[in-house]
Amino acid sequence: DSGVTQTPKHLITATGQRVTLRCSPRSGDLSVYWYQQSLDQGLQFLIQYYNGEERAKGNILERFSAQQFPDLHSELNLSSLELGDSALYFCASSVGGGLSTDTQYFGPGTRLTVL
Amino acid sequence: GIQVEQSPPDLILQEGANSTLRCNFSDSVNNLQWFHQNPWGQLINLFYIPSGTKQNGRLSATTVATERYSLLYISSSQTTDSGVYFCAVKEYGNKLVFGAGTILRVKS
Repeated sequence: DSGVTQTPKHLITATGQRVTLRCSPRSGDLSVYWYQQSLDQGLQFLIQYYNGEERAKGNILERFSAQQFPDLHSELNLSSLELGDSALYFCASSVGGGLSTDTQYFGPGTRLTVL
Repeated sequence: GIQVEQSPPDLILQEGANSTLRCNFSDSVNNLQWFHQNPWGQLINLFYIPSGTKQNGRLSATTVATERYSLLYISSSQTTDSGVYFCAVKEYGNKLVFGAGTILRVKS
């Protein structure tokens, strides 16, 4: 158990809908990262938040948005869902915001299926 | 951006055998992690190893940063070692760039 929690574990929804994925980082970690794992793209970085502020952005679609709250939990919002958004979404956390020595610990993931 | 290549893409072992997985990266890095994704999809941290050698039970890893590669050794493999092994390096900022993975199947 990494100490990172994600809910829900599974989510099945329809095209055009909107969903929210939730992540709680390990105790003491200030950074939260979101990654997407799909069959065709592999594991890809989406976005990072550090202590409530956006720190780095990756291949995140405009239909997706995220935020980190004062208690450091984070939510990833996916809207106008398409079939291609079906994937495993991971949250990771680390202590720092940009240290090279930071180790990222991953949550169990949320499996999203868009029908 | 940085490229991460893993080999072999697929590996089938008999229980008890040893194996070596390789990760090549295209630029110098100061952060490299190995992960195991189990059949249930969980990503488990194995090693943080930007350079040098580390051992944890039957697993060990070596990174030669100057030559831009890392190796993961699995000895006396067990069926529970099955899954996908990923190497990931840190690019600018905090972004981890993952390789495509090595799928390992250990047969009893």
